[in-house]
Amino acid sequence: DAGVTQSPTHLIKTRGQQVTLRCSPKSGHDTVSWYQQALGQGPQFIFQYYEEEERQRGNFPDRFSGHQFPNYSSELNVNALLLGDSALYLCASSPQGQNNSPLHFGNGTRLTVT
Amino acid sequence: AQSVTQLDSHVSVSEGTPVLLRCNYSSSYSPSLFWYVQHPNKGLQLLLKYTSAATLVKGINGFEAEFKKSETSFHLTKPSAHMSDAAEYFCVVSDVGGTYKYIFGTGTRLKVLA
Repeated sequence: DAGVTQSPTHLIKTRGQQVTLRCSPKSGHDTVSWYQQALGQGPQFIFQYYEEEERQRGNFPDRFSGHQFPNYSSELNVNALLLGDSALYLCASSPQGQNNSPLHFGNGTRLTVT
Repeated sequence: AQSVTQLDSHVSVSEGTPVLLRCNYSSSYSPSLFWYVQHPNKGLQLLLKYTSAATLVKGINGFEAEFKKSETSFHLTKPSAHMSDAAEYFCVVSDVGGTYKYIFGTGTRLKVLA
């Protein structure tokens, strides 16, 4: 049973460019969350998707957007990249309706903006 | 607003000695609390969770944590450290009754000395 898978594992972009990160949730999970982890910091919540809609959002600008597909997979898009967007981006999944079910995390995508 | 504070950014122990990683939380409600571990260049792995059942929670790899409401603490312990325990540890609080958003502490880096 595959866990949460993310692609690509590493990515290098230039300031001003746009990037798309992808995530497939754990089998049986229908809710996907995205987190940004800057170097030496704890992960910060970006947003969560359920039933193809953004359900809750953290304190991130509109440059950060996402999408969830009918098969529950998800994409994170970042426009107009800044140097400060360099971070590890983590995807996490969970099953809706199971209160307090812990999040399962992927290994992340390491984004470097130059 | 909910928050967590990890009291030590770095902890060093000798192999075979006890481990104590400290976490204090702030929550207006009865919280759900978690400990996650992150090995270098990896995602986050759940160690244990507290969701208002038993106050002493046992997790994987010999770790356990005790929820103390009076002290608003959720410290992580292990009787005997192993070299493989060297990693970053995160204390996490989530919304009551849901998995909408995790709030992470800043992390504690555990070093295990031979």
